[in-house]
Amino acid sequence: KAGVTQTPRYLIKTRGQQVTLSCSPISGHRSVSWYQQTPGQGLQFLFEYFSETQRNKGNFPGRFSGRQFSNSRSEMNVSTLELGDSALYLCASSLGTGGFGNQPQHFGDGTRLSIL
Amino acid sequence: AQSVTQLDSHVSVSEGTPVLLRCNYSSSYSPSLFWYVQHPNKGLQLLLKYTSAATLVKGINGFEAEFKKSETSFHLTKPSAHMSDAAEYFCVVSALSTGNQFYFGTGTSLTVIP
Repeated sequence: KAGVTQTPRYLIKTRGQQVTLSCSPISGHRSVSWYQQTPGQGLQFLFEYFSETQRNKGNFPGRFSGRQFSNSRSEMNVSTLELGDSALYLCASSLGTGGFGNQPQHFGDGTRLSIL
Repeated sequence: AQSVTQLDSHVSVSEGTPVLLRCNYSSSYSPSLFWYVQHPNKGLQLLLKYTSAATLVKGINGFEAEFKKSETSFHLTKPSAHMSDAAEYFCVVSALSTGNQFYFGTGTSLTVIP
């Protein structure tokens, strides 16, 4: 079974630009979560999508947005990039139904975003 | 509210000696607890999970963890460290009552000395 796939693996942007990151979950998984990982702040939850609807949201500004398609693939968009957005962005998928809290999340290898 | 405290930011052990990575949690309700490992420039890999079944949980690569409700702890152990165990380890708590969000600890960096 293929794992979680994130594209691209590396991205370099400049301040003010916008970026779109992509995540393909494990087949059959309907929940996709996004995380930002930085050395200073650690792993922070951005949002979670389930059946094309945002179900949970972390404490990030509105510049960070996402969506999920009918095939459960998800994209994350960051507009008006700032230097502080440089981070490893991780996507994780899970079944997302029933006792979701009991279900582990399966992570992709991440997209490393660098802002110049 | 959910939270996780990893008591050591860095642990060093010699190859072949036991590993202990400590984690305390705070949860208003019955939590699910997980340990993940992250190797450089990689995503997180699940080591093991606790979901209110047996309190001693066995995971991959010889790791195990014991859920102790009275101590609100979920420490990760391994009898004998291997060089390939060198990585960052994260303790995670989640609960159905709080929207199933994952709350991560700040991580423990494990160094294995040959």
